[in-house]
Amino acid sequence: NAGVTQTPKFRILKIGQSMTLQCTQDMNHNYMYWYRQDPGMGLKLIYYSVGAGITDKGEVPNGYNVSRSTTEDFPLRLELAAPSQTSVYFCASRVPEVEKLFFGSGTQLSVL
Amino acid sequence: GQQLNQSPQSMFIQEGEDVSMNCTSSSIFNTWLWYKQDPGEGPVLLIALYKAGELTSNGRLTAQFGITRKDSFLNISASIPSDVGIYFCAGQTQGGSEKLVFGKGTKLTVNP
Repeated sequence: NAGVTQTPKFRILKIGQSMTLQCTQDMNHNYMYWYRQDPGMGLKLIYYSVGAGITDKGEVPNGYNVSRSTTEDFPLRLELAAPSQTSVYFCASRVPEVEKLFFGSGTQLSVL
Repeated sequence: GQQLNQSPQSMFIQEGEDVSMNCTSSSIFNTWLWYKQDPGEGPVLLIALYKAGELTSNGRLTAQFGITRKDSFLNISASIPSDVGIYFCAGQTQGGSEKLVFGKGTKLTVNP
């Protein structure tokens, strides 16, 4: 099993550009999450999903959108990139019964 | 929102030394989790604690759920170079991982 796979690993965007961060998991986990990690800070929850077709906002959702059309995939969309969105983004998943989150290896995004 | 105070922010130790770090909060948590993040990777769960006063070990790592439910401690004994990384505590009130609050992390450097 590959676990949680994120692509791309690195990306540089210009202000106002849009992009989609991809996340897929092969563990058949119902729950999936998107976090951002700023230097010296803990992880902040952007959006989460408890199953296909269901998404909800986390602590810092502004400027982002998500969709969950399948159990495996949970893409994160940035519509109008801003410098404040420069961060490392982590996708995670888990089964409902166990609190253990499985994280991807992250996407480092710079908005210049 | 809820906040966790994790200390110390960073530690520089010699191989073989023991390490202690802790997290405190003004809020009560039902679950405490400790994650480790290697450079360029996502966090990996080390230990999960579910009951006040609980003491749990995972190899050289030992973590405790504080009696007041407002704090948790992580100890690493006989440190080795591969212990290098950032250690995060995370606290959770009732509900799922969408309620998880992360500390800012303790960056550990081990000198051989």
